[in-house]
Amino acid sequence: EDKVVQSPLSLVVHEGDTVTLNCSYEVTNFRSLLWYKQEKKAPTFLFMLTSSGIEKKSGRLSSILDKKELFSILNITATQTGDSAVYLCAVSLLQGAQKLVFGQGTRLTINP
Amino acid sequence: DVKVTQSSRYLVKRTGEKVFLECVQDMDHENMFWYRQDPGLGLRLIYFSYDVKMKEKGDIPEGYSVSREKKERFSLILESASTNQTSMYLCASRPRFFGRAGGTGELFFGEGSRLTVL
Repeated sequence: EDKVVQSPLSLVVHEGDTVTLNCSYEVTNFRSLLWYKQEKKAPTFLFMLTSSGIEKKSGRLSSILDKKELFSILNITATQTGDSAVYLCAVSLLQGAQKLVFGQGTRLTINP
Repeated sequence: DVKVTQSSRYLVKRTGEKVFLECVQDMDHENMFWYRQDPGLGLRLIYFSYDVKMKEKGDIPEGYSVSREKKERFSLILESASTNQTSMYLCASRPRFFGRAGGTGELFFGEGSRLTVL
């Protein structure tokens, strides 16, 4: 059974802190790993990772994939209250219309 | 701007009622998906479709059916709603080819339909 596990499930930090969110996976026919941010509505796309060791960066957010150890991390530096959201990790498979298998999500709360 | 539209944002239904959730995308995507989202469980795939009139079961299809009569429209049907189907339902779409053919492979999501079954 394909599985994606995120940790922690919930995290509360102060504004300005740096956070690291984890995503491990165990799937057949891996194609890529994606990170999404979900506030009150639809998830919004952050990153797609396909190659090990290559960091993707967007402002204060960055992510990297380790295909040998089967995990990815999402880093957020100098956090702001607007970063409060649920962060979703998903793995795209090669079969089944390249369906995405999602983790449980990490609920991140940034306190001022 | 890409758009996935779900017809109802909030619904309240009674046990045993038939429920239709409609999803329309304007991006000419081949692949469409229905997920449900529950606290602590993340997004779980109910059904997906890779072409008109084609459908495949996802991980939790029991109690649901789908219809894809036109490329842009993917409907989720609850034949007889039950309280354990109270959830947030998310529709998504994606082109068949991406990566080298273009695109990031991301799913484009609708705003979600929050269904409460009493």
